[in-house]
Amino acid sequence: KAGVTQTPRYLIKTRGQQVTLSCSPISGHRSVSWYQQTPGQGLQFLFEYFSETQRNKGNFPGRFSGRQFSNSRSEMNVSTLELGDSALYLCASSVDSGGDEQYFGPGTRLTVT
Amino acid sequence: AQSVTQLGSHVSVSEGALVLLRCNYSSSVPPYLFWYVQYPNQGLQLLLKYTSAATLVKGINGFEAEFKKSETSFHLTKPSAHMSDAAEYFCAVSGQGGYSTLTFGKGTMLLVSP
Repeated sequence: KAGVTQTPRYLIKTRGQQVTLSCSPISGHRSVSWYQQTPGQGLQFLFEYFSETQRNKGNFPGRFSGRQFSNSRSEMNVSTLELGDSALYLCASSVDSGGDEQYFGPGTRLTVT
Repeated sequence: AQSVTQLGSHVSVSEGALVLLRCNYSSSVPPYLFWYVQYPNQGLQLLLKYTSAATLVKGINGFEAEFKKSETSFHLTKPSAHMSDAAEYFCAVSGQGGYSTLTFGKGTMLLVSP
């Protein structure tokens, strides 16, 4: 069974631009979560989607948004990029919620210049 | 709110020595607890998961962890370190509000010397 895939793997953007990251979960998994990883803040939860609905949201500004499609694939968008948005963005999928283990993709490394 | 504390940002061991990575959690509900490993330039790989079925949990690559409710701990151990174990290890907790959202510790970098 194929794992979680994320595209692109690396991205360089300029301050003020917007970016869209994509995540394809493991087949049969209906929940997709996004996390931001930085050296200073560590791993922080962004949001979780289940059956195309945002079920939980972390403490990030409204510039960070996401969505999930009917095939469970998910995208996250960051508008008006800031230097501090440079991070590894990780997507994770699980069968359902409430304690199911999450399986992570390789991440998208975003660099904002 | 849930939280996780990992003692020691770096742990150094010799190849063949015991590995002990410490994790303490705080949770107002019965927690689900996890250990993940991250190799350079990769995502997180699940090592093991505690779900209350057994206090001693065996994972992949020879790792295991013991849940101790009285100490609110979930320490990760491996009897004999291998060079390939060098990586960053994260302890995480979930279950708050019925969600699978993971709250991670700051991570512990394991260094293995020959």
